Amino acid sequence: DTGVSQNPRHKITKRGQNVTFRCDPISEHNRLYWYRQTLGQGPEFLTYFQNEAQLEKSRLLSDRFSAERPKGSFSTLEIQRTEQGDSAMYLCASSLRAGVLNGETQYFGPGTRLLVL
Amino acid sequence: AQTVTQSQPEMSVQEAETVTLSCTYDTSESDYYLFWYKQPPSRQMILVIRQEAYKQQNATENRFSVNFQKAAKSFSLKISDSQLGDAAMYFCAYTHSGNTPLVFGKGTRLSVIA
Repeated sequence: DTGVSQNPRHKITKRGQNVTFRCDPISEHNRLYWYRQTLGQGPEFLTYFQNEAQLEKSRLLSDRFSAERPKGSFSTLEIQRTEQGDSAMYLCASSLRAGVLNGETQYFGPGTRLLVL
Repeated sequence: AQTVTQSQPEMSVQEAETVTLSCTYDTSESDYYLFWYKQPPSRQMILVIRQEAYKQQNATENRFSVNFQKAAKSFSLKISDSQLGDAAMYFCAYTHSGNTPLVFGKGTRLSVIA
């Protein structure tokens, strides 16, 4: 069983450019979560999906951030018109579903580290 | 809103000794889950241990165990026989039932001294 994968692992971009990150969850996991982690802090929730439905997006940091999971499998997180304050680690996690053994446990990918110059 | 507090920004332990990391949380929910995650430097966050709030028995995973005090809303992690590979950031996290997003503490950086 492969774990959660994220691509790219590192991204350097110039301010004002758009970036897109991809997350592939563990197969059969129907929930997928995006978090942001800045240096020395715990991860901060951004948005999450159950299958293709986005259940919460009010915590996305601004309208420059968007996410989708079109077929209920992989997900993408896009940041438009990047700013230096967007520099952070973006983490993806997935979980099976409530009601099954360990269904609430979230498993994390390696993250995408973004640097905005 | 639920909050998670880790009051120890940094801890250190001698190799082979035991260390306890503290975590408190605030919630009005009765059904929830608590986790400890480990994040080594520049490496992936991995699950250390989980605890269901409805279970009175404290969870254990090999050298890792928790002291779950539901009334006090306390969830500490004990690492026995510490190893150099235990050096990492440790995050305490909470979610209430239904696969909701995790709420994390700010983490505790653990150093292991040879």
